[in-house]
Amino acid sequence: AQTVTQSQPEMSVQEAETVTLSCTYDTSESDYYLFWYKQPPSRQMILVIRQEAYKQQNATENRFSVNFQKAAKSFSLKISDSQLGDAAMYFCAYRTRIQGAQKLVFGQGTRLTINP
Amino acid sequence: DAGITQSPRYKITETGRQVTLMCHQTWSHSYMFWYRQDLGHGLRLIYYSAAADITDKGEVPDGYVVSRSKTENFPLTLESATRSQTSVYFCASTWDRGSSPLHFGNGTRLTVT
Repeated sequence: AQTVTQSQPEMSVQEAETVTLSCTYDTSESDYYLFWYKQPPSRQMILVIRQEAYKQQNATENRFSVNFQKAAKSFSLKISDSQLGDAAMYFCAYRTRIQGAQKLVFGQGTRLTINP
Repeated sequence: DAGITQSPRYKITETGRQVTLMCHQTWSHSYMFWYRQDLGHGLRLIYYSAAADITDKGEVPDGYVVSRSKTENFPLTLESATRSQTSVYFCASTWDRGSSPLHFGNGTRLTVT
């Protein structure tokens, strides 16, 4: 079974600086999708960024980018120019592409604090 | 309004009671999911559905029942609530199996006393 591990329960960063959140996963599949979701105090789950495993190029969305290392099964999230609104829980998630096994597997989450 | 809605937003119930959490989506998404969120565990899959009348167990299905008679609705029932089922429950939906993201409802915080 696929597993996702976020080894940093909590992280903090100064406003305007850069922070990287770690995520590793375990799978025997070669084709899959990876996601980062943000959960602010409102409890809403917001998609931050997604990556297809067959694409070597790292995904970027404005200040958010990933470092996808397929061989190492690593999928870290980099937030540049951190803003107070980035404070939230961040979840890494893995989605299998194999028919009949549709599910999103989440990591335990990393709580990110932004210091003004 | 278009989107995915869960009700109620908060619920307090007693041990042994039956509770149903509602989920409704207006996109006609094929896939729907129920997750529970607990500190230290992230989100864990309870049940999911690929289409109307097709459901399957996830990681933590014990004590829960689902049905999907219509594409847009996916209720989750706790047949006899226990304190260990105190949690935040999220419903989600998506179009297909690929890179389409899951769209989440705002969650239901359930407390079992």
